Parts: sequence; C-alpha cells; structure tokens
Amino acid sequence: KNEVEQSPQNLTAQEGEFITINCSYSVGISALHWLQQHPGGGIVSLFMLSSGKKKHGRLIATINIQEKHSSLHITASHPRDSAVYICAVGNYGQNFVFGPGTRLSVLP
Amino acid sequence: DSGVTQTPKHLITATGQRVTLRCSPRSGDLSVYWYQQSLDQGLQFLIQYYNGEERAKGNILERFSAQQFPDLHSELNLSSLELGDSALYFCASSVGVQTGRAEKLFFGSGTQLSVL
Repeated sequence: KNEVEQSPQNLTAQEGEFITINCSYSVGISALHWLQQHPGGGIVSLFMLSSGKKKHGRLIATINIQEKHSSLHITASHPRDSAVYICAVGNYGQNFVFGPGTRLSVLP
Repeated sequence: DSGVTQTPKHLITATGQRVTLRCSPRSGDLSVYWYQQSLDQGLQFLIQYYNGEERAKGNILERFSAQQFPDLHSELNLSSLELGDSALYFCASSVGVQTGRAEKLFFGSGTQLSVL
C-alpha cells in the first residue's frame, strides 16, 4: 500500500462545477501540502496545513488528522484550474512523500 | 515567479556522462530541496540542505551527489548517467527556521534532463 494515495486519478469537470480531490496517507506527518502542477511543469504550493481548514480564493483545503485524510475543494471551477494536483506529506524531517497526483481537466 | 531559479531548463546528454544542475533559492531561504519527477515514479524527494549542511536524505542514488555553497545556491551532480535518469528535476527552497517545523515550499521551474 502506498504511503500517500489520491482519488480520483483523473477528473473531468464542466466549468462552474464544484470539485473535490481526496488524499489519504498512512504515515505520521508534521504537515500536508497541496501542490498544483500546470502542463508546463511548474509546481506551485497551494496550501500547507496541519489541522483544520484553509481557504484561498476559490480553493479550500481541509485535513482530518485522526482519519489521516485531506480534501482539496475548488468552487466555481474554471478552465485555468486544469492541472495536476499533488498531495504531499512531510514528516518531521521535511522528507516529503508525494501522492501520485490527480489530473484535472475543466472544460469550458 | 517563486523566486527560485534553476538552470539549465533543458539538458540533453548521453549515457555515461556527468551533469550538474544548479539552483538558487529565494532570497533569505536557508533550506534547499531536490526532487526528481519521472513518468513512472512521480515526484520523489532526493535530498535537503540547510545552511550548507545536509539535513535529510531520500531516494538519492549513490551516483548522485549534491552540495549547498556558502552563498546558499545548490548544485545536484548526476554521474554515470543511465537512460532511466531522464526526468524533471526540481529544486525548492524554504525559510528553514526550525528543525521539524513544517514550512511552505517554493519550487523552481525544473530542469528537464534527457539521457540518450
């Protein structure tokens, strides 16, 4: 079993839809990161969280430490949200373990 | 723009060769991380440096080595290259204030290495 799993693997949505991407992990962590990787390859850190919920614009990230689960929500999705979303968990040594990524396509 | 600079953007070389990838962290960041992203393995952590010293090691092959210089830039050296080393290599930096404390990462745009 992989240490970090994501679902779904691929997701196609219509513009305006509410999107949820899930991440489950099996290791102890100090924090969980959500990363966005656009087709050009660049990676942007969206959120870093160790408890509760964070919101930035149309993006919301939640984490449940007891259940070892995190979700990334995108409200009012837009074609520019099309990217690969990667969940990464960091242990106390900052030795990150990455999920396989969720490829999101938002159609106009 | 993340503030992290990686050079070169693309590198094409042959098996058996040695290459050096360079990373300049964001101004003020003391920690530098190297990651490898291949099609079959996804993103993998290679190594972390903090203020010139190795802090954490991941799945880094013995043929690979890295260092962080006094000006805080870092280099990743890949030697005896094999076809399977073809991948996107990312550098990231963070403030690096405190051991064990989670920090936000800022990624460079990556170096695409192709070994032919």
